[in-house]
Amino acid sequence: KAGVTQTPRYLIKTRGQQVTLSCSPISGHRSVSWYQQTPGQGLQFLFEYFSETQRNKGNFPGRFSGRQFSNSRSEMNVSTLELGDSALYLCASSLPWTGGNQETQYFGPGTRLLVL
Amino acid sequence: QKEVEQNSGPLSVPEGAIASLNCTYSDRGSQSFFWYRQYSGKSPELIMFIYSNGDKEDGRFTAQLNKASQYVSLLIRDSQPSDSATYLCAVKSGSSGGSNYKLTFGKGTLLTVNP
Repeated sequence: KAGVTQTPRYLIKTRGQQVTLSCSPISGHRSVSWYQQTPGQGLQFLFEYFSETQRNKGNFPGRFSGRQFSNSRSEMNVSTLELGDSALYLCASSLPWTGGNQETQYFGPGTRLLVL
Repeated sequence: QKEVEQNSGPLSVPEGAIASLNCTYSDRGSQSFFWYRQYSGKSPELIMFIYSNGDKEDGRFTAQLNKASQYVSLLIRDSQPSDSATYLCAVKSGSSGGSNYKLTFGKGTLLTVNP
């Protein structure tokens, strides 16, 4: 079974631009979570989508948004990019993602974004 | 603020030794606990997870959970140079009966296994 895929893998943007990142979950997985990873803050939760609905959101400004399509693929968008948005953006998929103790998340390779 | 704390390291062990990685968490309602391995420049890779008090073994890896002490650890036996990576502890929490579950990560412990 193919793993989580993310595109593009690398991206260079300038301040003020916007960017859209894409994530395709493992086949059959319906939950997609997004994370931002920086050397200073580590891995931080952005949001989680299930059945095209955002169910949970982390403490990020409204410039960060996302959506999920009927095939479970997800996109995240960052508008008005700032230098501090330079990071590795990771998505993770899960079959369900509810209260089950044995549910796990599997990460994609990430998109490395550099904002100049 | 729900937090997950790990020693940042680096933790250096000789090849063949046991590496012990520790993690504490603040949310007593946390349900399950994960260890991910992340090689430099790569994404996190799930090693194992645990949700019941006690030990769980998988090959050279043993996860230990003590909910009363809010402590989870990962032991790596017979450490190999290929185990050199950053190890991330993650805790799953959310409101009971709800659907807003998420993983909260520690900042990771850098492990170096010296040949």
